[in-house]
Amino acid sequence: NAGVTQTPKFRVLKTGQSMTLLCAQDMNHEYMYWYRQDPGMGLRLIHYSVGEGTTAKGEVPDGYNVSRLKKQNFLLGLESAAPSQTSVYFCASSYSLEGTQYFGPGTRLTVL
Amino acid sequence: GQNIDQPTEMTATEGAIVQINCTYQTSGFNGLFWYQQHAGEAPTFLSYNVLDGLEEKGRFSSFLSRSKGYSYLLLKELQMKDSASYLCAVRAPGGGADGLTFGKGTHLIIQP
Repeated sequence: NAGVTQTPKFRVLKTGQSMTLLCAQDMNHEYMYWYRQDPGMGLRLIHYSVGEGTTAKGEVPDGYNVSRLKKQNFLLGLESAAPSQTSVYFCASSYSLEGTQYFGPGTRLTVL
Repeated sequence: GQNIDQPTEMTATEGAIVQINCTYQTSGFNGLFWYQQHAGEAPTFLSYNVLDGLEEKGRFSSFLSRSKGYSYLLLKELQMKDSASYLCAVRAPGGGADGLTFGKGTHLIIQP
């Protein structure tokens, strides 16, 4: 099993450009999450999904959109990137809301 | 709301024991997680406490006191590979946007 995978691993964008980050998991987990991690801030939840076709806002959702068209995939979109979105983005999944979250390797995004 | 405090950085010696504390103030409580994160890598699950007491897993142990809003992670027989950040995370009832809140992490440095 690959667990949780993320693509791409690195990306550099210019202000105003758009992009989509892909998260995939092969553990048949219902719940998936997108976090951002910034120095001195800890992990903060952006959006999450409790099942295929569902999404919900987390702590810092502004400037991001998500979709969960297939159970195994969770996409994070930036429609118009801003320098404040420079961060490391982690995807995670869990079998249940109470369950342990398993993290992907992360995507390092720089917005110039 | 949720507030989680842990020391920013700690230093310990190879072969010794170190205790990393975590205090939390939350509107509810439904479990506490500890994760390990090496530089540039994803967080990996270490332990989970939902009832008061000590959970032991090899060289790592985690303790919880719900009445005091306090937990610690105890690492024994420290090895150089234990140099990493240790993240404390609290789950509130109902999951979702308030489901898992992370502390800012404790950067542990192991010296020979």
